[in-house]
Amino acid sequence: GENVEQHPSTLSVQEGDSAVIKCTYSDSASNYFPWYKQELGKRPQLIIDIRSNVGEKKDQRIAVTLNKTAKHFSLHITETQPEDSAVYFCAAVGVLNQFYFGTGTSLTVIP
Amino acid sequence: DTGVSQNPRHKITKRGQNVTFRCDPISEHNRLYWYRQTLGQGPEFLTYFQNEAQLEKSRLLSDRFSAERPKGSFSTLEIQRTEQGDSAMYLCASSSRRSGGPLHFGNGTRLTVT
Repeated sequence: GENVEQHPSTLSVQEGDSAVIKCTYSDSASNYFPWYKQELGKRPQLIIDIRSNVGEKKDQRIAVTLNKTAKHFSLHITETQPEDSAVYFCAAVGVLNQFYFGTGTSLTVIP
Repeated sequence: DTGVSQNPRHKITKRGQNVTFRCDPISEHNRLYWYRQTLGQGPEFLTYFQNEAQLEKSRLLSDRFSAERPKGSFSTLEIQRTEQGDSAMYLCASSSRRSGGPLHFGNGTRLTVT
């Protein structure tokens, strides 16, 4: 099955700086890559996603890039704010609609 | 609220007892997933339904775990003869075939086995 690796496991940034989280996947058939944000005690919620026919997608302060050849994708958060503090999970989804998640990145934005 | 609903929110049980959790997906979603999450880890896949058919079950899942979705609507996850290692958050998620994703998660059932 698919193997998704996520780095770093923890990340601290100053408010206003950028944060970058990286994921790699193993199955070249994976074609959909969502990112989820999970605040303490709450459900994971989708923040952005990208499909394999697109190299980059942006939504306000959040962007995701995908390199299918290298089988890696990244989440970029610019102008970070304290409310961005949470655990972020990447996922890779194959043709059978199986979602495989990374181990998560705990982001802390320091005011 | 038309989101994914899970019951109960919390369950405390003694080792060896059986427990059952329920998930009501978003009504128009035909795909339903069960995941397990422990502290500091990402959601770990357990099983997946498309309508009433169970399409895949994790090899990590022991025979003590079983899931059903009898009418293609709500689903139940049963754990028999619970062990302390089963303590975790059990998340249910659903998705629509028309949208091709993404997953919409419920609030989860937190299981504590004493």
